[in-house]
Amino acid sequence: DIQMTQSPASLSASVGDRVTITCQASQDISRYLNWYQQRPGKAPKLLIYDASILETGVPSRFSGSGSGTDFTLTISSLQPEDFATYYCQQYDHLQGTFGGGTKVDIK
Amino acid sequence: QVTLKESGPVLVKPTETLTLTCTVSGFSLSNVRMGVSWIRQPPGKALEWLAHIFSNDEKSYSTSLESRLDISKDTSKSQVFLTMTNMDPADTATYYCARIFVSYCSIGNCYSADHWGQGALVSVSS
Repeated sequence: DIQMTQSPASLSASVGDRVTITCQASQDISRYLNWYQQRPGKAPKLLIYDASILETGVPSRFSGSGSGTDFTLTISSLQPEDFATYYCQQYDHLQGTFGGGTKVDIK
Repeated sequence: QVTLKESGPVLVKPTETLTLTCTVSGFSLSNVRMGVSWIRQPPGKALEWLAHIFSNDEKSYSTSLESRLDISKDTSKSQVFLTMTNMDPADTATYYCARIFVSYCSIGNCYSADHWGQGALVSVSS
């Protein structure tokens, strides 16, 4: 099975900061990589698919990059509504494994 | 407007079988570019993908839970079902269903959960 490892598990940041979250796959997953945001008590929300394609309606301060085994989610200027937990997910047509999550909270 | 809603028991006993229903609207389960996944999240923990089903009845399951899971659908009723056998307290979680959208991507087809239900908390306790 493909394992997805996110780092860090948590981080503290201030409004306006640039934030980077990484996700590593245990084997080559090409660009089958999604990113989700989950606010407390809410269902996850799709941010990025195909490693770097922004879902409709997602602010342009979010960006994704990578291919193969190493991927990155970047928030260019953190906003108050961005304090949440972020998950990566590899999703080929067989399995949809999630990473362990990265909690972004207020410094 | 796409919506998904999970329904099922709030409490099940250990060793019992759980059956959850996901009722969808705003899209058809016969659409070849769409499917439905089940995902769960134990309290305070990470998301865990469980299973998916597509319009052609193609199914896939989490390797670690495959022996306990069954996913099916009733296209005419716009419903997707998940059964999980031999429930254990460790299965206590919020269970989500989500629409899987098959996009044309740089690598061919790619799959993402673009709409989610609100989730249903299922507790396992005697």
